[in-house]
Amino acid sequence: KAGVTQTPRYLIKTRGQQVTLSCSPISGHRSVSWYQQTPGQGLQFLFEYFSETQRNKGNFPGRFSGRQFSNSRSEMNVSTLELGDSALYLCASSSWELNTGELFFGEGSRLTVL
Amino acid sequence: DAKTTQPPSMDCAEGRAANLPCNHSTISGNEYVYWYRQIHSQGPQYIIHGLKNNETNEMASLIITEDRKSSTLILPHATLRDTAVYYCIVLLYNNNDMRFGAGTRLTVKP
Repeated sequence: KAGVTQTPRYLIKTRGQQVTLSCSPISGHRSVSWYQQTPGQGLQFLFEYFSETQRNKGNFPGRFSGRQFSNSRSEMNVSTLELGDSALYLCASSSWELNTGELFFGEGSRLTVL
Repeated sequence: DAKTTQPPSMDCAEGRAANLPCNHSTISGNEYVYWYRQIHSQGPQYIIHGLKNNETNEMASLIITEDRKSSTLILPHATLRDTAVYYCIVLLYNNNDMRFGAGTRLTVKP
């Protein structure tokens, strides 16, 4: 069974640009969450999507957005990039229907903003 | 969601049990205790979770005090590969809004 797949794994952007990151959850999982990890702030929750609807949202500015498609794949977008957006962006999927209560994380997309 | 308090770092000798404590004194009755770990540069990995009873799986045991204000994650025979940051999180079941704290950096030494 394939795990959570995130693309791209590494990318470099410049300030002011925008970026889109993709996440393919484990087959059958309908919930996808996004997290940002930086050395200073640690792991921070961005948002969660379930059945194409945003169910929870963390404390991030509106430049951070996401969406989920009917096949449960998810994308997150960051517009007008700032230096502080340099981080590891992690995606996690889960299947509450299976009652396991656990998140499965991908390897992350490492974004560097110059 | 309740906040948690964990020691910033711990050491453990290889082959010995690693006992990682977590305080969650403001936990509410319907909040679960989850443990995850993150090995350097990888995504966090689920370890175990529980509500009020002690739990055990192939990776670890979770001991929750009777008043539920604290818990201990036990790795029975720590190996070098268990060196990681361990996160204790409390939240409502079926809620993926996990708020990770700073965690405990466990170093297993030979």
